[in-house]
Amino acid sequence: ETGVTQTPRHLVMGMTNKKSLKCEQHLGHNAMYWYKQSAKKPLELMFVYNFKEQTENNSVPSRFSPECPNSSHLFLHLHTLQPEDSALYLCASSQEGATQYFGPGTRLTVL
Amino acid sequence: AQSVTQPDIHITVSEGASLELRCNYSYGATPYLFWYVQSPGQGLQLLLKYFSGDTLVQGIKGFEAEFKRSQSSFNLGKPSVHWSDAAEYFCAVDLDYNTDKLIFGTGTRLQVFP
Repeated sequence: ETGVTQTPRHLVMGMTNKKSLKCEQHLGHNAMYWYKQSAKKPLELMFVYNFKEQTENNSVPSRFSPECPNSSHLFLHLHTLQPEDSALYLCASSQEGATQYFGPGTRLTVL
Repeated sequence: AQSVTQPDIHITVSEGASLELRCNYSYGATPYLFWYVQSPGQGLQLLLKYFSGDTLVQGIKGFEAEFKRSQSSFNLGKPSVHWSDAAEYFCAVDLDYNTDKLIFGTGTRLQVFP
């Protein structure tokens, strides 16, 4: 595998479910990001990790919980989501603040 | 507040025609500038970037962009559009190399007619 991969590609969950999104980068980068892309809105940066340490939390509700066990893996744990959380969730990685490379995204639908 | 504006929500061109997608930013200094493309159901792919130097930047797929400091603009162009260029295009700025924060425009959807 090359680049940035994300699983699953599609996820449908109820408001009481708990699920996790996974991102893996094969580029040797040290920074990873979660973005939310909703219809007709700019991409919203959610979280930034540098060398496994969270350096940015862009006022994201606590029902979204990120985890970065190492520089290659990033998770987004989801619980008690709302329908308005339905969106495309994109993961990206970069090397020390340079160009960000994006994964294909997870299309999340909350029922 | 810093912002990125893509004034055209939707553009339609004929295959073979030239293309210009507009991007303006609001920021006192010169940021790092990017153009990304997103095909339906896909993530964002980097087309090109400007950090410094020559203000005319060449990217992949025959795209180019010109940074104009006086106009705070970074418009994307292509001399001859192909049907496969139909996608959504996003301009982004990195205001501080050390903070890793990209600010994106709302995107321009490009439709190409044969």
